[in-house]
Amino acid sequence: QQQVKQSPQSLIVQKGGISIINCAYENTAFDYFPWYQQFPGKGPALLIAIRPDVSEKKEGRFTISFNKSAKQFSLHIMDSQPGDSATYFCAGGGNKLTFGTGTQLKVEL
Amino acid sequence: NAGVTQTPKFQVLKTGQSMTLQCAQDMNHEYMSWYRQDPGMGLRLIHYSVGAGITDQGEVPNGYNVSRSTTEDFPLRLLSAAPSQTSVYFCASTTGAVGTEAFFGQGTRLTVV
Repeated sequence: QQQVKQSPQSLIVQKGGISIINCAYENTAFDYFPWYQQFPGKGPALLIAIRPDVSEKKEGRFTISFNKSAKQFSLHIMDSQPGDSATYFCAGGGNKLTFGTGTQLKVEL
Repeated sequence: NAGVTQTPKFQVLKTGQSMTLQCAQDMNHEYMSWYRQDPGMGLRLIHYSVGAGITDQGEVPNGYNVSRSTTEDFPLRLLSAAPSQTSVYFCASTTGAVGTEAFFGQGTRLTVV
């Protein structure tokens, strides 16, 4: 049962470009939506998170856009850099999280 | 700070063998959980605990047991390993309050042959 759908599965972006990853959720009880970044051989680490009472949150080059009525949220990475190449997971929930299937991002020079 | 520590990092088991994956955290977090990560399937919750002595099942609990005798430790037991349990396993901990960061360990890569 996939409660959080994530797309695309993989993404290639040129250095300096914008990376966009989208997620959709089903459970309206979710009240916390984090994005995690995972490098090969490492555990996921929190990148940025949002609560449903705001429509956008920005931290440096990373922005979450949240559309409560559509039950969708997205991660935007501005000025993408090769060091951003990683797998990104969206998630939704409360203290128990349901994760999306992940997006492998590759930023090329 | 060690954060969340998982051992071992790699393990190969034969079908039918049992083993315990260890997880320890030093942040005094109440909430701990185990996930498995498989290609194309994201992170799926196996079991979780909201405090010492309290555990509950997640999305994919079959074939796994957990216990939580202390706040710090949350071991995951495979009772009789099967090839379908080949995966990367992650332990995570958080304070349990909604909106607080979950900290993940480095993972255990398990292969069942």
